[in-house]
Amino acid sequence: EADIYQTPRYLVIGTGKKITLECSQTMGHDKMYWYQQDPGMELHLIHYSYGVNSTEKGDLSSESTVSRIRTEHFPLTLESARPSHTSQYLCASSRVSYNSPLHFGNGTRLTVT
Amino acid sequence: AQSVTQLGSHVSVSEGALVLLRCNYSSSVPPYLFWYVQYPNQGLQLLLKYTTGATLVKGINGFEAEFKKSETSFHLTKPSAHMSDAAEYFCAVSVIKAAGNKLTFGGGTRVLVKP
Repeated sequence: EADIYQTPRYLVIGTGKKITLECSQTMGHDKMYWYQQDPGMELHLIHYSYGVNSTEKGDLSSESTVSRIRTEHFPLTLESARPSHTSQYLCASSRVSYNSPLHFGNGTRLTVT
Repeated sequence: AQSVTQLGSHVSVSEGALVLLRCNYSSSVPPYLFWYVQYPNQGLQLLLKYTTGATLVKGINGFEAEFKKSETSFHLTKPSAHMSDAAEYFCAVSVIKAAGNKLTFGGGTRVLVKP
């Protein structure tokens, strides 16, 4: 039973379109994350947030942007999609405590044609 | 900075056989260690975690892992593989930093279970 929701699950879109991937959680977690997962499985942190109005870039440079206006909502936006953005995007959340595990959504699989 | 290495990107086991997935980490401070499982078309799900205390940690679905500080390892095992164990498994490490903690994932190991 998911407490963190990502929409859409699958998205096929043309080059140059603006897209927003939605992520919401109902657990009241302060920390939220976006990971990009390539076909070889490896996970790369692209954005994270410690709370409302806090956003940080992750380890992998990304052309996407994020916002955190509400605790439960952490959308990711691509202003102009390109084929190189084709990937799976996973959203996660956790408590602030350093030993708290991450809770993941089911992901959005994005294909840019 | 911490890092995680998972030995073997693919592991094939027979149903009923031992599952052993290897994970080694590097960290200059005591780590917190996690194993996650990812089933097809889903996000990651926590299998187990080590924070402090007992070094042998039991998780869901019959999996367990042992933290060995001297070997900087946190290998995942299950005595008897089931077809439903076919999935991708990720080891992860978290350490406390002045700026807060971050989780670093290994490259993942895909498990195939043969009947």
